[in-house]
Amino acid sequence: QPVLTQPPSSSASPGESARLTCTLPSDINVGDCNIYWYQQKPGSPPKYLLYYYSDSDMGRGSGVPSRFSGSKDASANTGILLISGLQSEDEADYYCMIWPINVIFGGGTKVTVL
Amino acid sequence: QITLKESGPKLVKPTQTLTLTCTFSGFSLSNSGVGVGWIRQTPGKALEWLALIYWNDDKRYSPSLKSRLTITKDSSKNEVVLTMTDMNPVDTATYFCAHRRGIAASGHNWFDPWGQGTLVTVSP
Repeated sequence: QPVLTQPPSSSASPGESARLTCTLPSDINVGDCNIYWYQQKPGSPPKYLLYYYSDSDMGRGSGVPSRFSGSKDASANTGILLISGLQSEDEADYYCMIWPINVIFGGGTKVTVL
Repeated sequence: QITLKESGPKLVKPTQTLTLTCTFSGFSLSNSGVGVGWIRQTPGKALEWLALIYWNDDKRYSPSLKSRLTITKDSSKNEVVLTMTDMNPVDTATYFCAHRRGIAASGHNWFDPWGQGTLVTVSP
């Protein structure tokens, strides 16, 4: 049972935005965590997308487009991945991860481009 | 270019010990800050971190699996080996090894890139 909660699915049309959430358990403060995001397409391993700690401390993986960005909602203890200008190639599973002491993954969200 | 490749048995029987090897290129596990981790993905697609070994032989294990796991490295061969004892059908999964990247000053750590993975089935 993943400790980080992600909705199982999300869908949006091309050009729209997809907002994926990753909710941390109550005993881990999202404000203290680096949130990492991975993309996985069928038959491939997860690919590192980006990390987000704050607006001044964030970074994308090599070759990752700027339409992928991160943020946090402290009131909901949640990390967020925003995909702007959704493209058909963005259809994939997306996983969040934190690494406070041990590595913890979310259950993943399947993004469908309508 | 960093690449990693997992190898090992595709089928193991319950109670047996699984031994997987990660062979990598493009970096050295003798260099400060470098690490290699193992992660598995169940058929239901959940990811679970298993273990991590650093250049200085520091080893970290998933608390829930620690008693069953051993991770070792052979830097001269560019290999990392994971053993998991007492295999059970619930351990059926695709096992990945991955290069650990980090920014020490800010405490950032992530896995990039990952190997292609190897599917291990546990069945009598």
